[in-house]
Amino acid sequence: QKEVEQNSGPLSVPEGAIASLNCTYSDRGSQSFFWYRQYSGKSPELIMFIYSNGDKEDGRFTAQLNKASQYVSLLIRDSQPSDSATYLCAVQTGANNLFFGTGTRLTVIP
Amino acid sequence: ETGVTQTPRHLVMGMTNKKSLKCEQHLGHNAMYWYKQSAKKPLELMFVYNFKEQTENNSVPSRFSPECPNSSHLFLHLHTLQPEDSALYLCASSQDRIVEETQYFGPGTRLLVL
Repeated sequence: QKEVEQNSGPLSVPEGAIASLNCTYSDRGSQSFFWYRQYSGKSPELIMFIYSNGDKEDGRFTAQLNKASQYVSLLIRDSQPSDSATYLCAVQTGANNLFFGTGTRLTVIP
Repeated sequence: ETGVTQTPRHLVMGMTNKKSLKCEQHLGHNAMYWYKQSAKKPLELMFVYNFKEQTENNSVPSRFSPECPNSSHLFLHLHTLQPEDSALYLCASSQDRIVEETQYFGPGTRLLVL
């Protein structure tokens, strides 16, 4: 079983819509959850992290965590073409390592 | 610019070659990491160094040999690689070796093994 699973996409949304990116993880003891954005040909950059159940908002981005369901999501409101990228979910395991998902490719259509 | 640089950006090597990848961070961080990113696969952690000491080696084949002479520099020495080792190799750093610390990634070295 993979540690972290994401739909590979591609996920296409029109400009101005809400993009919803989902991630599930297998280690019930995981405590920290991260979302990285990776533009094509570039390195990952951290955009959000969340530790507690519930929602965490930062500008147009909202991370949602449900530890009971082992599920973390990222919502992007008012999606812009510049949001087109691959979004990587990363989860901390009990061994203090980060495990990454394969990423979801998002395309925002003007 | 994240403050983490990597050279070379692109590398083509034969299976009998020996080459080295270099990473340098200008952030004053104490922890440095090597990751491998292959197409359609998750980012894989290879090695972790904390205060110049290797703390983790995630079952990486011995044809990959890391070196950390100081907290700012990290090398990955490559020898007798296989074509399946072709990937993007990313270096990252963080203030300390705790997972809650944000990791800053370098631009990566795109490696092709022929």
